[in-house]
Amino acid sequence: DIQMTQSPASLSASLEEIVTITCQASQDIGNWLAWYQQKPGKSPQLLIYDATSLADGVPSRFSGSRSGTQYSLKISRLQVEDIGSYYCQQAHSNPYTFGAGTKLELK
Amino acid sequence: EVQLVETGGGLVQPGRSLKLSCVASGFTFNNYWMSWTRQAPGKGLEWVASITNSGGSTYYPDSVKGRFTISRDNAQNTLYLQMNSLRSEDTATYYCTREYGGPLFDYWGQGVMVTVSS
Repeated sequence: DIQMTQSPASLSASLEEIVTITCQASQDIGNWLAWYQQKPGKSPQLLIYDATSLADGVPSRFSGSRSGTQYSLKISRLQVEDIGSYYCQQAHSNPYTFGAGTKLELK
Repeated sequence: EVQLVETGGGLVQPGRSLKLSCVASGFTFNNYWMSWTRQAPGKGLEWVASITNSGGSTYYPDSVKGRFTISRDNAQNTLYLQMNSLRSEDTATYYCTREYGGPLFDYWGQGVMVTVSS
């Protein structure tokens, strides 16, 4: 199985701050990587697909990047509505595995 | 507006069975692969099953293979998950999810809770 190592597990940041979350894949997954946001008590929502493509309706302050088998989600200017948990997911090979998640809180 | 509404959750004893349903609306159901994804209380996400748009092929991780069966009725715009031989570790919120361009999940239902306990 492909392991997705996500860091950090938790993060405290201030409004307007730049936030970066990373996922390391245990093997090559190409661009088969998605990022999801889950607000407290809600269902997850797709943010980024194909490693760098923004899903419909997602604010442009979110962006995804890739360097080899390391993937990053960046929030350029943190807003209060961005608080929640974030998960990466590889869509390359069965089983389609998720990272353990990053809990983002306001400082 | 895309909507996915799950039903059928509840409390069930270990070893017993349960069937979840998901009614889809707002899109052409038979054009899309569909999946189930779950989240144990306070934990992360785990993909559980996928089915092609025609229903002709299904896919599972080893953790549920042989116990869970995903199916669909395209005439009724409904997705199902038959869960047999349930274990305590199957306790989770189960989400019905639409697949987009591969096993990426662009729409999620509100989720239905399944608790496996004696």
